This record gives sequence, C-alpha cells and structure tokens, in this order.
Amino acid sequence: AQSVSQHNHHVILSEAASLELGCNYSYGGTVNLFWYVQYPGQHLQLLLKYFSGDPLVKGIKGFEAEFIKSKFSFNLRKPSVQWSDTAEYFCAVTTGFQKLVFGTGTRLLVSP
Amino acid sequence: DAGVTQSPTHLIKTRGQQVTLRCSPISGHKSVSWYQQVLGQGPQFIFQYYEKEERGRGNFPDRFSARQFPNYSSELNVNALLLGDSALYLCASSWGQAYNEQFFGPGTRLTVL
Repeated sequence: AQSVSQHNHHVILSEAASLELGCNYSYGGTVNLFWYVQYPGQHLQLLLKYFSGDPLVKGIKGFEAEFIKSKFSFNLRKPSVQWSDTAEYFCAVTTGFQKLVFGTGTRLLVSP
Repeated sequence: DAGVTQSPTHLIKTRGQQVTLRCSPISGHKSVSWYQQVLGQGPQFIFQYYEKEERGRGNFPDRFSARQFPNYSSELNVNALLLGDSALYLCASSWGQAYNEQFFGPGTRLTVL
C-alpha cells in the first residue's frame, strides 16, 4: 500500500527565510503528487500538483516542488516565506483514482 | 460558484449512537470522496462515489457507509459510534471518476462522548 512520510512535524521560521518541507512516498509505480495547505480556520486547498512532465512544478503563492523519482521525493519549497504562510501543509499521493493518501502534515509557523 | 458544502458544521454524539453527515459537491462535479481527519494526522480516505456507485473504499469498518444521490450530493453514515470516531470528516468533490483535482469542503467536526 502507498504511504507518505513528512519529515518535519513542526517548523518555525522568521519572515523572509527560505522554506523546504520534505515529503517521501512509497510506491513503485506511476504516481500523482500533491501539496495541500490548510490555513487556520480554512479548508484544505491545493497548492500544487505533479502528474507528468517537468519535475519542477510551480504552484500558487510562490510555492514550488520538485519530483525526484529516484528518491521517491516531492519536496515543497518557497524562497522567502511570509507571515501569511502560517498553516499546515500536507503532502499527498494518488496512484490513479480518487484515493488520496496523505502524510501526517507539517505545521509551519512564520514569525513576523 | 459555491464550493463544496457540508452539514452540520459541528456535531456531538454519545457512544453507540448513529450519525449522518451531508455533502453537496461543486455544481457539475459527479464524484464525491469522504475522508476522516483525526487530530494531528492527515486525512484518511473512507469512500469514493461516482455516478451514485461506490468506486473505492478505505480501511474502515462496516459501521461506516455512504451513498450518493441523483443530484450527486452524498451522505456518510456512521453507526454504533465509538470514542475513536471523533474527528473532522471531510468531503471532496471532483469532476470525474479518474483523477481530477479534488476540492475539499470545510468539514464536519464530530465529537463522540
């Protein structure tokens, strides 16, 4: 069965710092990869997704992620975080149909 | 366009009771999926329905059931509630059966006492 690991449960950064959140998945076949974000008091929103093609994908709000197939990784990055990026971030994978398998999430706190 | 809506927002039940949660997908979306999010964990897949048929089921006991109506709205039922069923129940809709982007609703917070 597929699984997703997120390495950091809590991350605290100052504004303007760079962000990288790790995500590894276990599945040997073709995968679709996602990062979702949950801002305080809001519902899950899609940040970015990878289906095929260029392994460097760009999402909303300046986020990007790189798919490295050999490492089974899909790390999320942002060069300069803002206070408004404070949220919980979830990496997820699906192997074809609708079943999304999520990681446990990373809580990001950005201090002004 | 309205997003995915869920009702009720919050619910408190006692052990052994039954609960029904409701979801209305985005207009035009034919697929509805349900997820359970326990505090401190990521959402876990429960069911997917497409065109009123169950298309996928996660590792949940038979106490959990769901259905989809002709207007594509959906209900999730949980019988014989346990304390461990306390969680945020999320509904997500998408256009088709195979992967399309899933749009999540705000969830129903269920507390079992």
